[in-house]
Amino acid sequence: GDSVTQTEGLVTLTKGLPVMLNCTYQTTYSPFLFWYVQHLNEAPKLLLKSSTDNKRTEHQGFYATLHKSSSSFHLQKSSVQLSDSALYFCALTSYGSSGNKLIFGIGTLLSVKP
Amino acid sequence: EAAVTQSPRNKVTVTGGNVTLSCRQTNSHNYMYWYRQDTGHGLRLIHYSYGAGNLQIGDVPDGYKATRTTQEDFFLLLELASPSQTSLYFCASSRDTLYAEQFFGPGTRLTVL
Repeated sequence: GDSVTQTEGLVTLTKGLPVMLNCTYQTTYSPFLFWYVQHLNEAPKLLLKSSTDNKRTEHQGFYATLHKSSSSFHLQKSSVQLSDSALYFCALTSYGSSGNKLIFGIGTLLSVKP
Repeated sequence: EAAVTQSPRNKVTVTGGNVTLSCRQTNSHNYMYWYRQDTGHGLRLIHYSYGAGNLQIGDVPDGYKATRTTQEDFFLLLELASPSQTSLYFCASSRDTLYAEQFFGPGTRLTVL
């Protein structure tokens, strides 16, 4: 079945540095990929999404490109801020999924230090 | 913006207890979902529904029942709660399209002693 892999459980960075959070996926159908962000004691919210191969999508300074050839959808930002500290989930759905089900990765906690 | 509310926000019960978690959305979305969030597991789908009276099995359904009474209201039932069900529970809703954003409620923290 469909699956999502996020390899880093915790990423700690100093403010102003670039970040890349890894996401790879597995599906036999055409994929739709999402990044959700969850700040402390809040609900997850959509950050960005894509279904177009090799096209960069951006929101709030974050960006990601879906690469179907490598089954990846890594999240990047050129300069992290303290307010970016949060839990980031990569999620997948596909035409093989029923009911718009999302498959979530386990999440990567981004901690930004001053 | 989508509005999804959950009640209660916190709940403590004992093993074997009966718990009902409530969710209401006011965006006329057809799809509603119940997830549990646990460290090391991310968000896992328990049950979901695409309309009043409909129920679909999610990925971790054991020990849970759910009921969708109206388009707005979706309930999660734990009839014999166990400590393994201690978790943070989120409800979400979305439009019908495959690529639709899911809007999450604020969550219910459940502790089973």
